[in-house]
Amino acid sequence: DGGITQSPKYLFRKEGQNVTLSCEQNLNHDAMYWYRQDPGQGLRLIYYSQIVNDFQKGDIAEGYSVSREKKESFPLTVTSAQKNPTAFYLCATRRGVSTDTQYFGPGTRLTVL
Amino acid sequence: AQKVTQAQTEISVVEKEDVTLDCVYETRDTTYYLFWYKQPPSGELVFLIRRNSFDEQNEISGRYSWNFQKSTSSFNFTITASQVVDSAVYFCALSLTGANNLFFGTGTRLTVIP
Repeated sequence: DGGITQSPKYLFRKEGQNVTLSCEQNLNHDAMYWYRQDPGQGLRLIYYSQIVNDFQKGDIAEGYSVSREKKESFPLTVTSAQKNPTAFYLCATRRGVSTDTQYFGPGTRLTVL
Repeated sequence: AQKVTQAQTEISVVEKEDVTLDCVYETRDTTYYLFWYKQPPSGELVFLIRRNSFDEQNEISGRYSWNFQKSTSSFNFTITASQVVDSAVYFCALSLTGANNLFFGTGTRLTVIP
């Protein structure tokens, strides 16, 4: 079974806690992305990584952190510094150049209690 | 600045009707790519089409068709003979050479009523 997996599907967090969202892919794609989706808005880029051990901030990186230790994995940590973390988080991968198609995982819905 | 506008927030149609989803984009680049994605209730974004700025031919895939017009900076999406399974949020997006993210519109929620 190939593709992009995200876990968990639903995640509940208490205020002040850090949580980590998982994104794994077996497509052998070089680039990976994290997007945030809020109701009525398009997707906004949090972080992206074009190669192992390298990543770049997107438009809304504050309060988030990532790592890229393996090509297959790009976990996102939502820290307590993120003031409004309740949202739907989508991971994506891309095979080649920057304008190639991005493919998306099933998403994780994070709710802060 | 880059921008994608989907002015239609929500559309409802009765099954078997045709429906067109509008997408207007802004960019000063001459080379760019346009995309459409479908987001069903499950949440995953499903890729539908990628089109580069030098190819203005319309494209048809089954009941789906796309009309790209550089003169009006539009990349509209038409579903013919809509079905209930077409109910979803549809996003238009723009990609530029050298830029690593996609610029998304705010999406159009399509509801197909049986």
